[in-house]
Amino acid sequence: AQSVTQPDIHITVSEGASLELRCNYSYGATPYLFWYVQSPGQGLQLLLKYFSGDTLVQGIKGFEAEFKRSQSSFNLRKPSVHWSDAAEYFCAVGPKYGNKLVFGAGTILRVKS
Amino acid sequence: GAVVSQHPSRVICKSGTSVKIECRSLDFQATTMFWYRQFPKQSLMLMATSNEGSKATYEQGVEKDKFLINHASLTLSTLTVTSAHPEDSSFYICSARGAGDYISSTDTQYFGPGTRLTVL
Repeated sequence: AQSVTQPDIHITVSEGASLELRCNYSYGATPYLFWYVQSPGQGLQLLLKYFSGDTLVQGIKGFEAEFKRSQSSFNLRKPSVHWSDAAEYFCAVGPKYGNKLVFGAGTILRVKS
Repeated sequence: GAVVSQHPSRVICKSGTSVKIECRSLDFQATTMFWYRQFPKQSLMLMATSNEGSKATYEQGVEKDKFLINHASLTLSTLTVTSAHPEDSSFYICSARGAGDYISSTDTQYFGPGTRLTVL
């Protein structure tokens, strides 16, 4: 079965601190992996995606994620968090061809000053 | 660019009534629109995929007579929750894929801000 697990429902970090959001997936075929961010009242915005090639991918807003096949993980990282990063983050997996994205339950990030 | 809106953002209705939610692509033509449902502290679950001018494809377990989807134009899809009950209370999110995007590309879904439905 296809599934995405985000183990942390909430994470609180201090502004300026580093951040890592965890994502583990179960997928029968070659996974195509995504991270989305959702701010209150906004739609989901694509932060980055991984299809193939270099397993460390760079995204918008200073985020990066590393694909580790052996661990079935695609963790999102940022070296220095800003207060504006407070939002909910979703990891998703999907096929290369087709519509269906499978989402994790999301991680709510709080940033304290 | 690539903005998707939803209306209303929040709706409260009585049990037994029907509610219509609109999803619009504001600055592009969307050949395909998707409807998701999100329960608190749970994943977004794909409910159905609609292509302009054709019938929607529903995911397993989603009642097509309960959740009516119409995609009559390239910029508008509607989801009607018929005879709503409290268990239909949820957060409904739509997304849209543009007409000019690479066919079957998964990553070009643009998401709306969602509609919070509360059925009393």
